[in-house]
Amino acid sequence: AQSVTQLDSQVPVFEEAPVELRCNYSSSVSVYLFWYVQYPNQGLQLLLKYLSGSTLVESINGFEAEFNKSQTSFHLRKPSVHISDTAEYFCAVSDGSGAGSYQLTFGKGTKLSVIP
Amino acid sequence: DAGITQSPRHKVTETGTPVTLRCHQTENHRYMYWYRQDPGHGLRLIHYSYGVKDTDKGEVSDGYSVSRSKTEDFLLTLESATSSQTSVYFCATASGGNSYNEQFFGPGTRLTVL
Repeated sequence: AQSVTQLDSQVPVFEEAPVELRCNYSSSVSVYLFWYVQYPNQGLQLLLKYLSGSTLVESINGFEAEFNKSQTSFHLRKPSVHISDTAEYFCAVSDGSGAGSYQLTFGKGTKLSVIP
Repeated sequence: DAGITQSPRHKVTETGTPVTLRCHQTENHRYMYWYRQDPGHGLRLIHYSYGVKDTDKGEVSDGYSVSRSKTEDFLLTLESATSSQTSVYFCATASGGNSYNEQFFGPGTRLTVL
């Protein structure tokens, strides 16, 4: 079974500073990787995903994540955060075999707090 | 975004009472999921469905049952609610048409068991 580790439960950062949210997953032959964002009192929204091809994927609001197969990591980065980025971020992995229930395994989440 | 609604959005109930949460989707997605979210645990899968009347257990299924009689509706039932089931419950759907299984989430139901 897959497992996902988000190494930091809380990350405070000043506005306009860079941030990295770390995510590691257990190894598999092939995986699909996701970052979801949850704003206060809302459901989860897909932020970005890695399926195949370029190891660097980007979102429309300036986040990017890099798939590193050798380190089994999918860290999320943003060069300059805004107050509106304050949220909880979840890393998730799907077994790429395509069999069964297409389940996602989630990390425990990282709360990003942007300080004015 | 997939059209996913959950009802009720908030519920307070007493220990020992039955509770049913409803998830409704308008996207004709094949797969549906129920998760619970608790501080420090992230999202944990309770049950999922891979078609009408086809369901299976997830990681934390004890004390929960589900039913899916129509593609659009997935019900989660707590037969006899306990305080440990106080949580925020999320429904999610996936089309099943892609092997990578992007999931879409509902707004959640906050359940408090006194």
